[in-house]
Amino acid sequence: QQPVQSPQAVILREGEDAVINCSSSKALYSVHWYRQKHGEAPVFLMILLKGGEQKGHEKISASFNEKKQQSSLYLTASQLSYSGTYFCGTESSGTASKLTFGTGTRLQVTL
Amino acid sequence: KAGVTQTPRYLIKTRGQQVTLSCSPISGHRSVSWYQQTPGQGLQFLFEYFSETQRNKGNFPGRFSGRQFSNSRSEMNVSTLELGDSALYLCASSLVGGYGYTFGSGTRLTVV
Repeated sequence: QQPVQSPQAVILREGEDAVINCSSSKALYSVHWYRQKHGEAPVFLMILLKGGEQKGHEKISASFNEKKQQSSLYLTASQLSYSGTYFCGTESSGTASKLTFGTGTRLQVTL
Repeated sequence: KAGVTQTPRYLIKTRGQQVTLSCSPISGHRSVSWYQQTPGQGLQFLFEYFSETQRNKGNFPGRFSGRQFSNSRSEMNVSTLELGDSALYLCASSLVGGYGYTFGSGTRLTVV
């Protein structure tokens, strides 16, 4: 079953913060986050593993609540280059045999 | 190091025909996954191969098939093409368990 992302779309001014949420109905082993720009392939941002810690760097980070099967992606002080569609991907088995992607969140950063 | 290579980049086929798409993963990556991306359905999982074995398959009809070779290169085949098969087909490779996926640029298939 496909994880659900919220919001579906968000428009930010440069420098503002955003949070994208991903929720699954299944127990998860890992959550992935990807960004896809128009006409390009998705690019891996980070992975959060069951039992792992919050990950990321200063401006883009993520958390994983195993009990709620939820993950959030935090974008701080957004830049124009952050524009794109963000997908979470969830994996239940730990074998990397099936990564199911969420519905996507379209992010637009403006001046 | 070289990324994931998909060929061809673009294809135009007629309804009823069949098509074969190719994917060369990053060297050392033994897991190869295929996805169909459309504006309405997003990224839909087709199948995943590891060491020449299909470990998982999505909810697609039997017209969609794939295989993986001993060098980890993978192909997917779609037979009896339908208009609804028009999409971007993405291949991704990864190390097993706990690593991110690297996607290829995709093959844009148009069925007319």
